[in-house]
Amino acid sequence: NAGVTQTPKFQVLKTGQSMTLQCAQDMNHEYMSWYRQDPGMGLRLIHYSVGAGITDQGEVPNGYNVSRSTTEDFPLRLLSAAPSQTSVYFCASSYRPGQGGAYNEQFFGPGTRLTVL
Amino acid sequence: AQSVTQLGSHVSVSEGALVLLRCNYSSSVPPYLFWYVQYPNQGLQLLLKYTTGATLVKGINGFEAEFKKSETSFHLTKPSAHMSDAAEYFCAVRATNAGKSTFGDGTTLTVKP
Repeated sequence: NAGVTQTPKFQVLKTGQSMTLQCAQDMNHEYMSWYRQDPGMGLRLIHYSVGAGITDQGEVPNGYNVSRSTTEDFPLRLLSAAPSQTSVYFCASSYRPGQGGAYNEQFFGPGTRLTVL
Repeated sequence: AQSVTQLGSHVSVSEGALVLLRCNYSSSVPPYLFWYVQYPNQGLQLLLKYTTGATLVKGINGFEAEFKKSETSFHLTKPSAHMSDAAEYFCAVRATNAGKSTFGDGTTLTVKP
């Protein structure tokens, strides 16, 4: 199992450019999420999904879009990059042991380090 | 609603000393609680978790944590620190009736020789 994979590892954008951060998991997890990590602020949830075709906003969704067409993939789109979006982005997936049970721990990708100039 | 507070953004201990990282949470429903570790330039890895059952849980690398409902705490301990324990540690809470997790701001552990 590759687990959770993210591409690219590093990216530099100019203000106003758009791009997509890729995330894939091979564990058949129904729950996937995107976080951004900034110094001293922990991880903040951007968007999440509880299954193909279902997405919802987290605490910092502005400037980001997501879609979930398959169980495996959960791309994050930056519509018009701004310097405030300079951050490290983590994708994570999670499972629940039984139907209707509670979600357990999250499995994290290695991260994408994004700089917006 | 749920929240996590990690007391102390930086903790420094000597090699061989006790490690204690503090985490307090709030949750309107019974929570699941997690500790994750992050080494430089890596993603987060699970150290240990509390879901149900025994309130003292053991994790990898000799770490353990105790769920204390009355104190709304889930502190992380290790009897003897190793140099390799130097990392950032995150406490997280997840409500059992929802998918979203809430993370604390993290505690950076430094281990002095």
